[in-house]
This record gives sequence, C-alpha cells and structure tokens, in this order.
Amino acid sequence: GNSVTQMEGPVTLSEEAFLTINCTYTATGYPSLFWYVQYPGEGLQLLLKATKADDKGSNKGFEATYRKETTSFHLEKGSVQVSDSAVYFCALSDLVALNFGKGTSLLVTP
Amino acid sequence: AAGVIQSPRHLIKEKRETATLKCYPIPRHDTVYWYQQGPGQDPQFLISFYEKMQSDKGSIPDRFSAQQFSDYHSELNMSSLELGDSALYFCASAGLAGGPRNEQFFGPGTRLTVL
Repeated sequence: GNSVTQMEGPVTLSEEAFLTINCTYTATGYPSLFWYVQYPGEGLQLLLKATKADDKGSNKGFEATYRKETTSFHLEKGSVQVSDSAVYFCALSDLVALNFGKGTSLLVTP
Repeated sequence: AAGVIQSPRHLIKEKRETATLKCYPIPRHDTVYWYQQGPGQDPQFLISFYEKMQSDKGSIPDRFSAQQFSDYHSELNMSSLELGDSALYFCASAGLAGGPRNEQFFGPGTRLTVL
C-alpha cells in the first residue's frame, strides 16, 4: 500500500541554519506530494505541494522537489527562523485521502 | 478568506457517552474529509464525503458515523466513547470533483478528551 516515511525528530537547529527533512514514499501510480506544518496547538497548514515528477513546490523559503527516481520529497530551507519551530508532516494523496508520515518536530533556537 | 470551521474546539466527555463534532467546509467546497490525530501521532483518515454521499472509509470504528448535509456541512457522531478516542479530530475540505489530488484545507480541529 501507499506509505510515507520521514526522518524522526526532534530536530534542533540554531537560527539561520540550513534545514533538511527527509521524506520518501511508496505508492502505486503517480501520487501528489505535500508538506504540511502544524504549529503548537493549531491545525494543519499546507506548506507546499507538487503534483508530478520533477515539480518543485516552494513557499515561505521552503522548497521540496518531487523525485520519482528516488521516490523522495525532501523539505529544505536555507535559513530557518525561530518562528519555523513546528511539526512538519510529509503526505501523499492516493485515490482515497492523504497518507501522512509520522511528523518531524523542529525546534529553532535563537 | 473563509476557512474550514469546526465546532466545538474542545470537548470533554465521560466513557460510554456520545459526542457530535461539526465541520463547515469552505464555501463551494463539495468534499469533506475527517481525520483523527492521536497524541504525538500522524493524522489518520477516517471517512470522506463528496456531494453529500460517503465516498471512502478509512480506519473509522463502527461506533462512529458521519454524514454530510445539504448545505455541505458534515457531522461526526461518536458513541460509546472510549479513553482511546481522546484525540484531535480534523476536518478538511476540497473544492473540485477530482478527488484527493486537489488541495485539502484543514480546520483547526476539535480536541476530544474522554475521561
């Protein structure tokens, strides 16, 4: 079946550090891929998405590229801020609903 | 812009009680999804509706039922509540008929605590 595997956290970085959160997927067909962010005590917000191979999603300085050959959708940001502290979920859509990874908690310190 | 509205935001129930969670999708969205997120867990798909008809079921217990009404709002009914039902329940809506490939917009969630 379809599944998403993302790196376990927590990830702790200093402000302005480079961020990578790895995400790989297993799917039949050609799913769409998403990154969602969940700030403490809040709901899920779509951060970025990609709907086909080689697409790059980007938003708020975050980027992820849909790599079919490596079945990956790694999230990157060149310079993180304290306000980026949150839990990040990688997800794929199949014919039913969203399949989420386990989430990666990010803490950015000043 | 209007977002997905969920009510109540917090709910405390005793074991074996019932609970009803409500979801109001973004205007003109015709698809609603329900997810359950346990403490420290990823969201798990429960059930979805398209144009007031159930479209797919995930890991929804038999004690739970849901429906989508003529105004597209949806309600998740939970009976014989168990301690393990304590979780954050998200509703998400989508706007086109193409299925989950379209962007899902999530509500803020209802935090259910079963004592």
